[in-house]
Amino acid sequence: DSGVTQTPKHLITATGQRVTLRCSPRSGDLSVYWYQQSLDQGLQFLIQYYNGEERAKGNILERFSAQQFPDLHSELNLSSLELGDSALYFCASGKGQGNTEAFFGQGTRLTVV
Amino acid sequence: AQSVTQLDSQVPVFEEAPVELRCNYSSSVSVYLFWYVQYPNQGLQLLLKYLSGSTLVKGINGFEAEFNKSQTSFHLRKPSVHISDTAEYFCAVSGLTGRRALTFGSGTRLQVQP
Repeated sequence: DSGVTQTPKHLITATGQRVTLRCSPRSGDLSVYWYQQSLDQGLQFLIQYYNGEERAKGNILERFSAQQFPDLHSELNLSSLELGDSALYFCASGKGQGNTEAFFGQGTRLTVV
Repeated sequence: AQSVTQLDSQVPVFEEAPVELRCNYSSSVSVYLFWYVQYPNQGLQLLLKYLSGSTLVKGINGFEAEFNKSQTSFHLRKPSVHISDTAEYFCAVSGLTGRRALTFGSGTRLQVQP
């Protein structure tokens, strides 16, 4: 158990819908990273938050957004969903702004039908 | 920008045989290097990392990796594999400054056969 909790574990939704994925980082970790894992794109970095502020953006679509709350949990919002958004979404957390050791959650498997 | 190339998408090997999973990276800046393992229906678990110092890094489950700066490689090795090592292995890099999120390779599927 990495100490990073992601909910829900599985999500099935229709095209055009909006979903929210939740991540609770390990106790004491201030950084949260979101990654997408798909068969065609592999593992891709989406976005990083550190202590409530956005720190870095990767290949995140405009239809996607995220935030980190004062209690340090983070949410990834995916809207106007398309079939191609079906993927495993991982959250990782770390102590500092850098990434010398990131701990990954079990992921949320999103299926868009 | 950074990139990671894992040269083998699949590596079949017999139990108790040695294995090497290859990883090459490209970066214009100094990087940290990592190997992660993903078991079926699981998240990623850190096997080992190179931050600085000795180029030979030992990790969990008997794995080790060697950082070779001149060849920009970070190959993962295990002298004797077990059935339980069957999993997907990802090499990753992150910058020391600037963008520090992980850039992953495409993964290598290690299949250990009895």
